[in-house]
Amino acid sequence: GAGVSQSPSNKVTEKGKDVELRCDPISGHTALYWYRQSLGQGLEFLIYFQGNSAPDKSGLPSDRFSAERTGGSVSTLTIQRTQQEDSAVYLCASSQDRQGWNEQFFGPGTRLTVL
Amino acid sequence: AQSVTQLDSQVPVFEEAPVELRCNYSSSVSVYLFWYVQYPNQGLQLLLKYLSGSTLVKGINGFEAEFNKSQTSFHLRKPSVHISDTAEYFCAVSDPAGTALIFGKGTTLSVSS
Repeated sequence: GAGVSQSPSNKVTEKGKDVELRCDPISGHTALYWYRQSLGQGLEFLIYFQGNSAPDKSGLPSDRFSAERTGGSVSTLTIQRTQQEDSAVYLCASSQDRQGWNEQFFGPGTRLTVL
Repeated sequence: AQSVTQLDSQVPVFEEAPVELRCNYSSSVSVYLFWYVQYPNQGLQLLLKYLSGSTLVKGINGFEAEFNKSQTSFHLRKPSVHISDTAEYFCAVSDPAGTALIFGKGTTLSVSS
């Protein structure tokens, strides 16, 4: 079946612009996670959604970052007034639910470059 | 708070040699442990996971890992590597509450002939 998809695969933007990154999770998965992968920093948790519950935003690095999940499915990560340090690969993952033993399935990522 | 330390950032090996990628974790609660692999220009893929029970866990592509509670380690091993195993490997932990995975910084495995 279809895996997690993300768009765009690459995004180049100018400093100060806003960007939107999209994630389509696996159908039926209620938990959705966003991570950021920076060179030398590994993977850093940003935010996760579980069903209709309020999201856990504890990993968002600043108030320029926000995310929403519409209808319990598609999610959009928005970065306002982008900075060069926002350049990274943004990964989305989904799992059946938020139980810790469940495998998270990752999308291919969106590579964001801020000039 | 949980944390994961991958002790080697890069591991170069020759084809058919054995390899061990080291991972240590810290947590005040019981955890679940995972190894993910990221091949060049691809997304992360689960190699194996430890939830409970037998401390030796077997995964895909001939990899295995051993959970050692006293040493808080979860090292990944393969007895004979192939060129195609060249990739970045991430160790991760989660807790039963299902908060997000906490990843190590990754180990780049480079296999040459």
